[in-house]
Amino acid sequence: DVKVTQSSRYLVKRTGEKVFLECVQDMDHENMFWYRQDPGLGLRLIYFSYDVKMKEKGDIPEGYSVSREKKERFSLILESASTNQTSMYLCASSFGLARGTGELFFGEGSRLTVL
Amino acid sequence: GDSVTQMEGPVTLSEEAFLTINCTYTATGYPSLFWYVQYPGEGLQLLLKATKADDKGSNKGFEATYRKETTSFHLEKGSVQVSDSAVYFCALSGGGTALIFGKGTTLSVSS
Repeated sequence: DVKVTQSSRYLVKRTGEKVFLECVQDMDHENMFWYRQDPGLGLRLIYFSYDVKMKEKGDIPEGYSVSREKKERFSLILESASTNQTSMYLCASSFGLARGTGELFFGEGSRLTVL
Repeated sequence: GDSVTQMEGPVTLSEEAFLTINCTYTATGYPSLFWYVQYPGEGLQLLLKATKADDKGSNKGFEATYRKETTSFHLEKGSVQVSDSAVYFCALSGGGTALIFGKGTTLSVSS
């Protein structure tokens, strides 16, 4: 089975702190994604990566950055956390277009609260 | 651009009732279509998919048919159970890298 593992299920941080959310997948997927999920807004794409060291902005990249130094790992960084970044963060991965149908495999999510 | 519209919830049903969750899409070309389910406290998992027109995806008693003429992919189940209580997301893959999701529909089934 594909496994996408997010490092923390629950985090509580203070305004202004730097926050790292880590995600690891074990299926040799080319693509990795970070979404945030908020009530009434569904899933919104923050960033995605289609290869090591490559990244593309999604719909809501402001206030976030990402890092992909190894194929299996994709990190989301909040440089200076703010209360409006309190949310559920979902990592996902998939095969590239040459190998896949677009199906995403999700981790269990990281619920971040910024006080 | 491509988009997905699904019915707003919450949907509240009694056990063994028939379920329909509507999903329509806008896309150029021929997208693949997906339904994902999110159980409480968990991430999303694929429920079913269809990759071309007239395909029917099915899993765990759920079904959805890819209707190109009506640009729809409605989710149905003949007899829901309490364990089906979850949030359901319709999504499309239009040839780009990322899936485009609807806003989700919460289903609550009572015994």
